[in-house]
Amino acid sequence: RKEVEQDPGPFNVPEGATVAFNCTYSNSASQSFFWYRQDCRKEPKLLMSVYSSGNEDGRFTAQLNRASQYISLLIRDSKLSDSATYLCVVSHTGTASKLTFGTGTRLQVTL
Amino acid sequence: EADIYQTPRYLVIGTGKKITLECSQTMGHDKMYWYQQDPGMELHLIHYSYGVNSTEKGDLSSESTVSRIRTEHFPLTLESARPSHTSQYLCASSGVSGRAGEQYFGPGTRLTVT
Repeated sequence: RKEVEQDPGPFNVPEGATVAFNCTYSNSASQSFFWYRQDCRKEPKLLMSVYSSGNEDGRFTAQLNRASQYISLLIRDSKLSDSATYLCVVSHTGTASKLTFGTGTRLQVTL
Repeated sequence: EADIYQTPRYLVIGTGKKITLECSQTMGHDKMYWYQQDPGMELHLIHYSYGVNSTEKGDLSSESTVSRIRTEHFPLTLESARPSHTSQYLCASSGVSGRAGEQYFGPGTRLTVT
């Protein structure tokens, strides 16, 4: 079983739609959580951290449920430029600098 | 934009050749990392370094080796390339600047071993 599990998609949504991705992690020692974005054939880039209380950054909202060990990302008012693969990422207690990446969920926003 | 560079960007090489993938960053970051990523798959950490003269193997076993003689430079070497080494290799760095959990990635090297 992979340590970080994501639905690979693709999620095909029209512009303006709201889309949500979930991710589950298996290591209860996971301490910090992030969403990265990776465009096709490009390097990953940090999109946002995920805090226990939930956090928002513009059209993006991230939530963490430690009891159920899952993380979510909600994108409102999808733009064509949101098309990318969204990577769920965790780090563990004592290894704060080492990240474990999920396979990613591919999003395709269409006209 | 992050100042982390990788060369070459693309490399096609024959089996048995020795290769070195270069990675440099100008941000003064103490931590650097090498990941391997196959198409449609997750990134796997193969090596990391927390500072000069510090290197550790990552979660994915790799036949490659690394060195960290200077803060800004973290080259990866394969002594004898094999077709199973065909993959994309991504270098990253992190430091006290930037957001928590943020690793800055280079553009990657796409390696093909024939």
